[in-house]
Amino acid sequence: DMKVTQMPRYLIKRMGENVLLECGQDMSHETMYWYRQDPGLGLQLIYISYDVDSNSEGDIPKGYRVSRKKREHFSLILDSAKTNQTSVYFCASSFEGLSSYEQYFGPGTRLTVL
Amino acid sequence: KTQVEQSPQSLVVRQGENCVLQCNYSVTPDNHLRWFKQDTGKGLVSLTVLVHENDKTSNGRYSATLDKDAKHSTLHITATLLDDTATYICVVGDRGSALGRLHFGAGTQLIVIP
Repeated sequence: DMKVTQMPRYLIKRMGENVLLECGQDMSHETMYWYRQDPGLGLQLIYISYDVDSNSEGDIPKGYRVSRKKREHFSLILDSAKTNQTSVYFCASSFEGLSSYEQYFGPGTRLTVL
Repeated sequence: KTQVEQSPQSLVVRQGENCVLQCNYSVTPDNHLRWFKQDTGKGLVSLTVLVHENDKTSNGRYSATLDKDAKHSTLHITATLLDDTATYICVVGDRGSALGRLHFGAGTQLIVIP
């Protein structure tokens, strides 16, 4: 059963604190993503990782950094969190077959920055 | 500027009724279009993908169409069930690989009442 997991599922932090969001996948997918979802907006891409230590900025990377030391794990780090980073964060991984391309999404992490 | 527009924003139907969700986009190129279902507090689950001009797909009570000339897609849900209550998200991919980007709509919130 293909699965993307995220930890924690809920997190409350104070402004200025550091935040670590973890994502794992058991499908050996090369490419992984971090998105955020805000009310009334579509998901926005923060970072994409094409493999271990091969990361690229997405559309809204400011205020975030990522780490990918193992293919199955992809972390999102907020150094000194800000209130406008309150959001739901989704991790995804993708598979590319001969005739298909699909992203699999985790359940999300709801982050509140006070 | 939003490149994927979904309508209506929200919709309430009675169990057993049919409904139609709309997606208009301006993404170019438009390699494929996928419809996702997002239950409250959960991740995105793929319902169907459309790739070719005038594609039509069917997945149980869900069916979808794509008109690439008009850059328009519809998702039909037949004989709705209470479990169909969710947000339905239209996503357009500009490539069929991880080198491309996914463009997300903000979603249509469907509520099915008894």
